[in-house]
Amino acid sequence: AQSVTQPDIHITVSEGASLELRCNYSYGATPYLFWYVQSPGQGLQLLLKEFSGDTLVQGIKGFEAEFKRSQSSFNLRKPSVHWSDAAEYFCAVGLTGTASKLTFGTGTRLQVTL
Amino acid sequence: DTGVSQDPRHKITKRGQNVTFRCDPISEHNRLYWYRQTLGQGPEFLTYFQNEAQLEKSRLLSDRFSAERPKGSFSTLEIQRTEQGDSAMYLCASSFELNNSPLHFGNGTRLTVT
Repeated sequence: AQSVTQPDIHITVSEGASLELRCNYSYGATPYLFWYVQSPGQGLQLLLKEFSGDTLVQGIKGFEAEFKRSQSSFNLRKPSVHWSDAAEYFCAVGLTGTASKLTFGTGTRLQVTL
Repeated sequence: DTGVSQDPRHKITKRGQNVTFRCDPISEHNRLYWYRQTLGQGPEFLTYFQNEAQLEKSRLLSDRFSAERPKGSFSTLEIQRTEQGDSAMYLCASSFELNNSPLHFGNGTRLTVT
């Protein structure tokens, strides 16, 4: 069965600093990969998705993710963080051939200091 | 695009009572999903529908849980004889039928069982 690991439970960065959130997955083939963001009490918003094996994927709100097949990683990055980026970020994996049944990581809570 | 709508936003119930949640998907989407998210965890897949057909159910969906989508539009999730362990955020999502169509989540229903 596939699994997703987000090793950082909580990260704090200063506004304007760069950000990298780590995600590693375990799956026998190349999966569909996603990053979602969740604000307190809200549902999940899709930041970006990776289906085609591209190494760098652009998303919304200035986020991008780098896919490294050899390391089974899909890390999320942003060059300059804004205070409004404070939220919980989830990495998710979908089986090849379907984006429906997703396996999520446990999330990384991002705090932004001014 | 009005997004995925869930009702109620919050539900507090006593142990042993039955509860029902409603989800209205994005109108053009024919797939509808239910996920459950407990505190500090990522969402976990419960079940999904394609039109009115329930195509897959997770082992997490015990006999006390039942989901329906009678006309292929809105869906209901009922929990009978609630237990304290059922306390969680119940998230609904929808998507197009295409296998690479990402999920669009609602804001969830937070259930508290006392």
